Formats: sequence, structure tokens, C-alpha cells
Amino acid sequence: SQQGEEDPQALSIQEGENATMNCSYKTSINNLQWYRQNSGRGLVHLILIRSNEREKHSGRLRVTLDTSKKSSSLLITASRAADTASYFCATGSNTGKLIFGQGTTLQVKP
Amino acid sequence: DTAVSQTPKYLVTQMGNDKSIKCEQNLGHDTMYWYKQDSKKFLKIMFSYNNKELIINETVPNRFSPKSPDKAHLNLHINSLELGDSAVYFCASSQDASNQPQHFGDGTRLSIL
Repeated sequence: SQQGEEDPQALSIQEGENATMNCSYKTSINNLQWYRQNSGRGLVHLILIRSNEREKHSGRLRVTLDTSKKSSSLLITASRAADTASYFCATGSNTGKLIFGQGTTLQVKP
Repeated sequence: DTAVSQTPKYLVTQMGNDKSIKCEQNLGHDTMYWYKQDSKKFLKIMFSYNNKELIINETVPNRFSPKSPDKAHLNLHINSLELGDSAVYFCASSQDASNQPQHFGDGTRLSIL
């Protein structure tokens, strides 16, 4: 069953602007991960946030996690054309499976 | 060096045929996975092996049979292909089975005529 729901489904911004993507999930989790998928390629892991963490940074990426609201957000600051891709959240739980959301397609216009 | 490699990259075949997809990882990981991504980009896990042992077996038709000859390889054999099998199949690996970050191959695009 699908765990994560992402919002928006598609996002189009200008280079230099910030992009925010949201992910909501339904059951309790051990961690939440964000992945990027460029067209025609496999998914690439970006960042992992544990259930006892609230915020994590990696370069231009900032991830927040609110377990009370069962939601996470991914912020990409100062976006570049190369950030154009689909972004997926995935929840990890005691089942041992990662359950992926349906993704947000980000287009960054030069 | 490619960390997770799948072959072939493209597979076009007739309905009813049998085909195999191969996957190899050189990361020394214990756990490997097969996912199916449909035309709407929804990614669903099919199988997972940990040290050659099957640990996740989702509701997948038994026309799909995974095989792991060693922990660096996980192959997927599909019998009697159907139109609905058209999708992109991704192999992935992770250090272990405890929700660690996963490394994906670039996918095998399967088209059934």
C-alpha cells in the first residue's frame, strides 16, 4: 500500500528561487528518506531523517520532520536548472520495507 | 565504477515470452531489492533478499521469480509476459535490511508488444 503522499505533484520555478515539497504519511516510522530521480535514471538517495530528529541539512537541502502531523518537507534553496528532477519521499518502518510516495516533479527554468 | 548495474537497459518482447533481468552490486551490501515503477512513476517493492535469503515477497504474480546466487547478484525471471508487465524495473541495494539508504540501478525498461 502507498504510504507517502506528496504535494505538490508538480512544481515549476525560476532558477535561484527556493523549492518546497511536502510529504505526508499514515503509519509510524523509523526514518524518512528523500530521493531524487533524473529522467531515465535510477533514484539517488539525498537525505535520511530519523523519527527522533526534527530537522536536517545537507548543502542546499533542508528536511524537516513532524511526527505528530506525520509530515515532512524538503526545501531546496537557490535552485539550479540541474535540480530539475522528480523527488520522492520514502518511509522506513519495522516492516523493513521502504514505502515511496508518488513524487513531486520539479522543473527549474534557467 | 557503477555501484548497481542492471542488464539489459531496454527489453522489448512479445506477450507470452519469458525474459530475465540481471543485477549486480559492487558495494559489498547485504541486501538487494527489486522494484517496479509504473507509467505514473509510482514505485512499488516486489522482492528483497538479505544475504541470499528472501525476506520480502510482496503480492506479485508467481510468474515473477527472483534468484540470488550470491549476495552481490539478484536476478529477476519473468514467465509468460503480459501487457501489464510493461514498466521500468529497478534493482537496488542497501548495507543491511534495517531501512538504510538504498542505491539504485538505472532501471530496465520492459515493453511488451
